[in-house]
Amino acid sequence: KAGVTQTPRYLIKTRGQQVTLSCSPISGHRSVSWYQQTPGQGLQFLFEYFSETQRNKGNFPGRFSGRQFSNSRSEMNVSTLELGDSALYLCASSGGLAGYETQYFGPGTRLLVL
Amino acid sequence: GEDVEQSLFLSVREGDSSVINCTYTDSSSTYLYWYKQEPGAGLQLLTYIFSNMDMKQDQRLTVLLNKKDKHLSLRIADTQTGDSAIYFCAETDTDKLIFGTGTRLQVFP
Repeated sequence: KAGVTQTPRYLIKTRGQQVTLSCSPISGHRSVSWYQQTPGQGLQFLFEYFSETQRNKGNFPGRFSGRQFSNSRSEMNVSTLELGDSALYLCASSGGLAGYETQYFGPGTRLLVL
Repeated sequence: GEDVEQSLFLSVREGDSSVINCTYTDSSSTYLYWYKQEPGAGLQLLTYIFSNMDMKQDQRLTVLLNKKDKHLSLRIADTQTGDSAIYFCAETDTDKLIFGTGTRLQVFP
């Protein structure tokens, strides 16, 4: 089975712009979660989608949003980018039927905001 | 609140055993995980343990869980240079993972 894929792998944006990141889960997985990784804050949960519905949300401002499509692929959008949004954005997929199923991570998208 | 703590750095000689420790706070976590992250890469699932287990062994990896003390450890036997990476423990909170700060393991010859 192919693993979790994320595109693009690297991205450079300027402050005030918006960005969309994409994640394709492992085939058959219905849950996609997004995490932000920074040197200062570590790994923090952004949100989780299951069957096109946001099921759980972390403590991030409304500039961070996401969606999931019927094929379970997910996108994450960040509007009005700030310097502090520079991070590695990781997505993870799982079966999603129970609240504790193992999550498998993609390679991440590294976003640099100038 | 939820908090998962790890020591930041561990240095070991090649061939020795490494022990990475973690303390967590959510006693209702169903599973506890260990992930490995190499430079520039995503997170690789190493192993996990169900909360009603005390120990799990998987080849060179041994996970010990002390639920009373909320302490989790990962032992890597015969540590190799390829094991150099950052290791994260994580507890589950319904549908999300709460990660520790990560322990950077450096293996020297």
